[in-house]
Formats: sequence, C-alpha cells, structure tokens
Amino acid sequence: EIVLTQSPGTLSLSPGERVTLSCRASQSVSSSYLAWYQQKPGQAPRLLMYGASSRATGIPDRFSGSGSGTDFTLTISRLEPEDFAVYYCQQYGSSPTFGQGTKVEIK
Amino acid sequence: EVQLVESGGGLVQPGGSLRLSCAASGFTFRSYWMTWVRQAPGKGLEWVANIKQNGSEKYYVDSVKGRFTMSRDNAKNSLYLQMNSLRAEDTAVYYCARHGTIGWYFDLWGRGTLVTVSP
Repeated sequence: EIVLTQSPGTLSLSPGERVTLSCRASQSVSSSYLAWYQQKPGQAPRLLMYGASSRATGIPDRFSGSGSGTDFTLTISRLEPEDFAVYYCQQYGSSPTFGQGTKVEIK
Repeated sequence: EVQLVESGGGLVQPGGSLRLSCAASGFTFRSYWMTWVRQAPGKGLEWVANIKQNGSEKYYVDSVKGRFTMSRDNAKNSLYLQMNSLRAEDTAVYYCARHGTIGWYFDLWGRGTLVTVSP
C-alpha cells in the first residue's frame, strides 16, 4: 500500500495569500497518477486535479498541481474566501489511497 | 442533471448487515468504473471498493474483503454495496463516486449516506 503524507496539517491564512500544499508518497506513484480534492464541511469531496497537473472541469486556474515520483504539490495562487476547506491528495497508481488531509483555515 | 444519490444508510448493530444503493442519472452509467469511498466521523477519506463497467472486475480494500460485496445493475443505473458482519470501525459516511475516464480518480461524487454501527 502506498502511504500518502500531507503537510502541513493545518494552514492559517488570509484571503489573497498564496498557498502551497505538500503530498509525499511512501513509494513512487506511477505515471503521476495523483489527484487532489477539496472538501468543505458537510459536503462531498470535489475533484480539483488529476494526473498531478491537469485541472478538472470547471476548476479555476488559480489552482495548479505539480510533482512526480514521490513529491507532489497543490498551489493556490491567491486564496479566495470559498477556498477555505480541507484538501486531500489521492494516488491511483495502485490500489487507491488518500492522504490524511490539510485544512486551510481563515487567519 | 448529472448526479449520484446514495441511500440505505442507518443504525445497525455490530455483526449486522446493511445494503447501500446509489442511483446514477444524467450520464451513461454503464460506461464508467464506479467506486465507494467512506469517511469516518471527523476523519479522512478511505477508498472501499470499485467495480468495472460490466461488473466483471471488483476490488476491495483489505479491511472489508470477505464482508462487503459491490455490485451494479446497468439497466437500472444503480450501484450497490452489501455490507455484512459490520463492525464499529465501519461507521462512516459512504460516498459513491464515478471514476474518471483515464484513471482511478473520482470526478463525480454523491452526497453520501451515514452508516452507524453501534449496540
């Protein structure tokens, strides 16, 4: 099983700031099969990125993803009020697993 | 409207059984792999099981193998999860989700149904 470790656990930021979230895998994720999701309280997760760097349909371009192998990053260029949420990475190079999540909260 | 709607959750005693359903609409259900993901209260996401378009392949997380069975009825645009021998640690919101077209990521999610396993 590939274990994904996200850091930091919580980020306290203000609207307009740039955010960088990290996702590290315990072994290499084949073909950059790495996705990112956003989840708000009481809601289902929403797909943001797949293939490490491809934005899902309807996702604004302030969201970007990068990385390969064992290290992946989700960047939000300028935080909007609706971006405060929990973010999960997921690998699908083998049996799917998720990271434990990073909470982005309002400072 | 493209959507997934889960049902069938509830309170069940340890050792009991429950069958979850997921109704799909607005897309060609038979063309997609489908999956179940769960989330224990206040915790992260855990993939549970998935099923190929025609039901010929199914995969499960180790913790549910032999207890949970996933199935689908493409004529009814429906997905199912039969859960037997339930344990307290199975308590979670269960989401059905659609696989993406080029990989096992999940591009459409239902709102989830809560399963509580408690005496």
